[in-house]
Amino acid sequence: DGGITQSPKYLFRKEGQNVTLSCEQNLNHDAMYWYRQDPGQGLRLIYYSQIVNDFQKGDIAEGYSVSREKKESFPLTVTSAQKNPTAFYLCASRREGRRTGELFFGEGSRLTVL
Amino acid sequence: RKEVEQDPGPFNVPEGATVAFNCTYSNSASQSFFWYRQDCRKEPKLLMSVYSSGNEDGRFTAQLNRASQYISLLIRDSKLSDSATYLCVVNFLLNTGGFKTIFGAGTRLFVKA
Repeated sequence: DGGITQSPKYLFRKEGQNVTLSCEQNLNHDAMYWYRQDPGQGLRLIYYSQIVNDFQKGDIAEGYSVSREKKESFPLTVTSAQKNPTAFYLCASRREGRRTGELFFGEGSRLTVL
Repeated sequence: RKEVEQDPGPFNVPEGATVAFNCTYSNSASQSFFWYRQDCRKEPKLLMSVYSSGNEDGRFTAQLNRASQYISLLIRDSKLSDSATYLCVVNFLLNTGGFKTIFGAGTRLFVKA
């Protein structure tokens, strides 16, 4: 079955540490996205990538970094520069060019900074 | 003003009730529209797309009014399992040919026995 896999599902980090969240998709989708969700708020876009080896900042990119070396993979690094990293992180993908533009989500990674 | 606005609720309704959610968007160049459902501590999942002519899927009916920049979701005969947060989602086309997706903050629904 095709889908998006995020890991780890839960992660605890000490302040000052970088952490990398994995996102892999086998849907053959061109575009991949990282969102952050805080309680009672909508999803906010961190970074997105429409093709391999290219990515763009979203609305809240500060303190985060990404890479897109393969079509299937779009890892997100939460750096120590991110001031409030505790959140629910969602990776999504979409086959660009489709009229509907539906997003498919992974199950999410819940990061807690101790 | 937020690009996509929803009433946060919560909406508390008894089983069998009909409930309606509203959503407004500010970008008139918006191209496509969706309702997603999100259960507590889970990822959002597509509930239904929203078409200009209106569309229905079982107990769920979605409407779009482009002139008023307004989207609605109607749930008839509410079930306990309908309890969730409903996200209004709007895509608009970028110059690059891709889409930018904006999410509303969601409307919480609690259906009680």
